Amino acid sequence: GENVEQHPSTLSVQEGDSAVIKCTYSDSASNYFPWYKQELGKGPQLIIDIRSNVGEKKDQRIAVTLNKTAKHFSLHITETQPEDSAVYFCAASRDNQGGKLIFGQGTELSVKP
Amino acid sequence: ETGVTQTPRHLVMGMTNKKSLKCEQHLGHNAMYWYKQSAKKPLELMFVYNFKEQTENNSVPSRFSPECPNSSHLFLHLHTLQPEDSALYLCASSLAQGRTSETQYFGPGTRLLVL
Repeated sequence: GENVEQHPSTLSVQEGDSAVIKCTYSDSASNYFPWYKQELGKGPQLIIDIRSNVGEKKDQRIAVTLNKTAKHFSLHITETQPEDSAVYFCAASRDNQGGKLIFGQGTELSVKP
Repeated sequence: ETGVTQTPRHLVMGMTNKKSLKCEQHLGHNAMYWYKQSAKKPLELMFVYNFKEQTENNSVPSRFSPECPNSSHLFLHLHTLQPEDSALYLCASSLAQGRTSETQYFGPGTRLLVL
């Protein structure tokens, strides 16, 4: 079945620096890749997603890139702020699979002021 | 707020107790999901309901029993749980479980501790 690997498991950056989190997937038919942010005591919240027909998507300080050939996708956060501190999860799914999302293990991002 | 609420937020129960978790979504969605989130592990899909019909049971032990009386409400009935069932239980919803992948919106979760 599909497997999603996420790295690193923890990431610490200085405020204002950039942060990059990487995920690889095993099922070449996967075509939907959301990223979720989970703050302490809350459920995961969608922050950005990308479908396989595009290679990059940006939303203000957040961007996601997708390399279908290599089967990996990355989350880029620029000009990090303390409120970006959270656990970030990547996920992958494919059509005709009942919307089943396969999640990565999560990355705990800490932004130091 | 994501439009998905869960109650209770915290629950402590003994192994012989029976309890229920409740999820309600106010988004007009037709698909609802139960996930289990354990420390240091990826989210695990447990059950999926689409238009009130169960479409996925991810080999979940029978001590977990889901119920979906309508598209807005989802329950997870718990009985004779084990300590290893302690985890954060998350509910999510999406527009519908169709051919293409839809965005899922999560509730805040119920933190369950089994003693």
